[in-house]
Amino acid sequence: DTEVTQTPKHLVMGMTNKKSLKCEQHMGHRAMYWYKQKAKKPPELMFVYSYEKLSINESVPSRFSPECPNSSLLNLHLHALQPEDSALYLCASSQLSAETQYFGPGTRLLVL
Amino acid sequence: KNQVEQSPQSLIILEGKNCTLQCNYTVSPFSNLRWYKQDTGRGPVSLTIMTFSENTKSNGRYTATLDADTKQSSLHITASQLSDSASYICVVSGAEQAGTALIFGKGTTLSVSS
Repeated sequence: DTEVTQTPKHLVMGMTNKKSLKCEQHMGHRAMYWYKQKAKKPPELMFVYSYEKLSINESVPSRFSPECPNSSLLNLHLHALQPEDSALYLCASSQLSAETQYFGPGTRLLVL
Repeated sequence: KNQVEQSPQSLIILEGKNCTLQCNYTVSPFSNLRWYKQDTGRGPVSLTIMTFSENTKSNGRYTATLDADTKQSSLHITASQLSDSASYICVVSGAEQAGTALIFGKGTTLSVSS
C-alpha cells in the first residue's frame, strides 16, 4: 500500500459546527503532516507529527486541533472556523522527516 | 532569506512538444530538491528528488537537473501529453528537519493543448 488516504473528499460546514478530517497511511511512515492550500498558492505547513508526537505547530489558530491516535492515523479537528479557512487541506507522510513526502488527495473544505 | 523562485509562472504548449521549467533557490544549508506535479484539486505527487551530489534524475518523460553551485534546477518534459497539464512545484529542503525546512515555490502552471 503506497498511498495516503483522506476523508472526506469534500466538506461544507457552518461556523458553529465541529467536524474532523481524517488521514491514513500504511507505509510505515513515522512523520505525518497537515497542510493548508488556497487556490493557486503552494501548500502551507500547519502541523508535523514525528513518532506520533507533535513536533511542529506553525502558529495555527486553536480552532484547528490535530490528533495522532497511532502511527497510521492523523486527524484534524475543526471548530468555530471562519470563511477564510476554506481551502484544500492536504495530509502527507514520510519515512523520516527529511524524506520525500507522499501527499493524500486532500479534503476540499468550504466554511459558510 | 530562504526562497524558491519558479519560472515561468504559466506556460502553454502544444501536445508532443518539449518544455523546460526553471527553479532558483536561495535556501541554505541545502539538503535536497524535489519536483512535484499537482493536478487541480488533488494532492501533489512526487516526480523526482535530488541531493547535493546529483546532477540529473529521470522519471519517464520527466528529467530534472540540479546545479548546486548556481542553486538552479530545471524540469524538462519530453513529448508532452494532455495529461501533463498541471501545476509543477519545486520544493527545497533546507536541513535535516521536518516541516519548516521545506520551502515551496509558487509553482508553474502548465497547459498542454491539442
